[in-house]
Amino acid sequence: EAGVAQSPRYKIIEKRQSVAFWCNPISGHATLYWYQQILGQGPKLLIQFQNNGVVDDSQLPKDRFSAERLKGVDSTLKIQPAKLEDSAVYLCASSSETRRVNTEAFFGQGTRLTVV
Amino acid sequence: AQSVTQLGSHVSVSEGALVLLRCNYSSSVPPYLFWYVQYPNQGLQLLLKYTSAATLVKGINGFEAEFKKSETSFHLTKPSAHMSDAAEYFCAVRSGSYKLIFGSGTRLLVRP
Repeated sequence: EAGVAQSPRYKIIEKRQSVAFWCNPISGHATLYWYQQILGQGPKLLIQFQNNGVVDDSQLPKDRFSAERLKGVDSTLKIQPAKLEDSAVYLCASSSETRRVNTEAFFGQGTRLTVV
Repeated sequence: AQSVTQLGSHVSVSEGALVLLRCNYSSSVPPYLFWYVQYPNQGLQLLLKYTSAATLVKGINGFEAEFKKSETSFHLTKPSAHMSDAAEYFCAVRSGSYKLIFGSGTRLLVRP
């Protein structure tokens, strides 16, 4: 089966510009995650969707970050305006089960964002 | 709230030596635990997962981990390191809200 698709792979923008990342999860996966991974650190959960509803966005900087999953399938993460500290890899992941918490998440290759 | 702590940001072993990467968790409910591996410029790949069926879990590439509730640990081991094992390893915990929380990672270096 096809994996989690993310685009673009790389993006360089100037601070105060806006940027958007796209993610298409594995077909049929109800849960979708966006993580931010700063160099040398573990992935930090930004937002978690269950179908098209938000389960957790407690660590999403809502003054500049937004995410949507309108039809419960693919998702877009936006940053506006970007800051230097937003330079990181943005990882999208998906998982299939809604009840069985032992189901693993499958990850895309990530989008590497550099803010200059 | 659940969390994981990975002791040692870098671990260096010789090729053929035992690999031991440490992970301790904190969870108010029975946890589900995972180890992921990340190669440069790649996403995360599942190595193994603990699902409460057995405390000793075997994963891919010869890795295994043992769940010890009394020690709140889920350490990752491999009897004999290979050069291709050099990567970053992340421990993660997941519980009732389905949030998947990662540790800070351990970079494994394998010396020839």
